[in-house]
Amino acid sequence: NAGVMQNPRHLVRRRGQEARLRCSPMKGHSHVYWYRQLPEEGLKFMVYLQKENIIDESGMPKERFSAEFPKEGPSILRIQQVVRGDSAAYFCASSPRVGDEQYFGPGTRLTVT
Amino acid sequence: AQTVTQSQPEMSVQEAETVTLSCTYDTSESNYYLFWYKQPPSRQMILVIRQEAYKQQNATENRFSVNFQKAAKSFSLKISDSQLGDTAMYFCAFTWNNNAGNMLTFGGGTRLMVKP
Repeated sequence: NAGVMQNPRHLVRRRGQEARLRCSPMKGHSHVYWYRQLPEEGLKFMVYLQKENIIDESGMPKERFSAEFPKEGPSILRIQQVVRGDSAAYFCASSPRVGDEQYFGPGTRLTVT
Repeated sequence: AQTVTQSQPEMSVQEAETVTLSCTYDTSESNYYLFWYKQPPSRQMILVIRQEAYKQQNATENRFSVNFQKAAKSFSLKISDSQLGDTAMYFCAFTWNNNAGNMLTFGGGTRLMVKP
């Protein structure tokens, strides 16, 4: 059973471009969480999704950020018109049910130049 | 709102010795879980140990154990017989039983250096 997959592992974007980060949860997991880690800080919750539904996006910036978890395919975190402050490591985690342990992916490191 | 505080930004320990990392949290929830995660230079988040708040017995995983003081809202991690591979960032995290999901709240981390 493969672990949580994230791609790309590293992404470089110029200011104003779009960034698309993908997360494939573990097989059988229908709950996905996205977290952001700024340099020298802990992880901060962004959004929680189940298949085809956003359950909690209270940690997501109101503008430029969106997330989805379609019926088929990976979960996508999309950042439009990136700015330097978006440079961070973005982690996703998945779990089979609410209350179960979350398994983390290796993260995507986004650098905005 | 839940908060998690790690008051030691950096710590060091000699190989084979014991070190304790501190964590305090604040919550009004009664049914919750606490975790310690390790993040080595590879950045992969690795679960070290987990504690259910309703359990009085402190969790133990091999060389890793916790001191869970519920009344004081304290959750420290003890690493015995420290190894060079224990060098990493360590994050304390909290979640609670919430039908809207179990998002984790993390502390700011403690950077641990194990010296040979």
